[in-house]
Amino acid sequence: EDQVTQSPEALRLQEGESSSLNCSYTVSGLRGLFWYRQDPGKGPEFLFTLYSAGEEKEKERLKATLTKKESFLHITAPKPEDSATYLCAVQEGGGYNKLIFGAGTRLAVHP
Amino acid sequence: GAGVSQSPRYKVAKRGQDVALRCDPISGHVSLFWYQQALGQGPEFLTYFQNEAQLDKSGLPSDRFFAERPEGSVSTLKIQRTQQEDSAVYLCASSTGTSFYNEQFFGPGTRLTVL
Repeated sequence: EDQVTQSPEALRLQEGESSSLNCSYTVSGLRGLFWYRQDPGKGPEFLFTLYSAGEEKEKERLKATLTKKESFLHITAPKPEDSATYLCAVQEGGGYNKLIFGAGTRLAVHP
Repeated sequence: GAGVSQSPRYKVAKRGQDVALRCDPISGHVSLFWYQQALGQGPEFLTYFQNEAQLDKSGLPSDRFFAERPEGSVSTLKIQRTQQEDSAVYLCASSTGTSFYNEQFFGPGTRLTVL
């Protein structure tokens, strides 16, 4: 059965303190791995898609990387506005592009 | 339109009532997905439409859940005889095409509370 596990469940950082969020997955035939950001009371907001092991993508203070078993979301010098829940999702081969999500990592960045 | 919209944003129902949740996808988007998000969890897939055709309903938890998209644009998720375990945020997402390269854009969700 396809599974996505995110760690840690919650992370508290001081402003400027870099860290990484982990997403490990088991899926038959990965089509893509997605990172979303979700603020309270809002829907998930797309950040990145990664398609193959070794791929990396960057956006401002965020960098996502992918291996055959896991993905990391690196946050460099975070700011309070980076506080949110970060969701990882996988899309398996076959089917109709449904996303299988992890439970998310709740990030709090304090000034 | 600016993005995916959903209504109502909040719905309180008494156990046993029927509810209908509406999704307006981005204009021209072919694919439409419904997800259910329990408190503190990630979204879970419910059903998928390609235009007006419901191609995957494998995630619908029971026959009390029914979804439709009759004209290939607006979609409605209906829950009959609501139960307390149906309390969750219901998210709608749409994408431009049917390729797995197409990003899914999410609406703000409808928070359903069943008393």
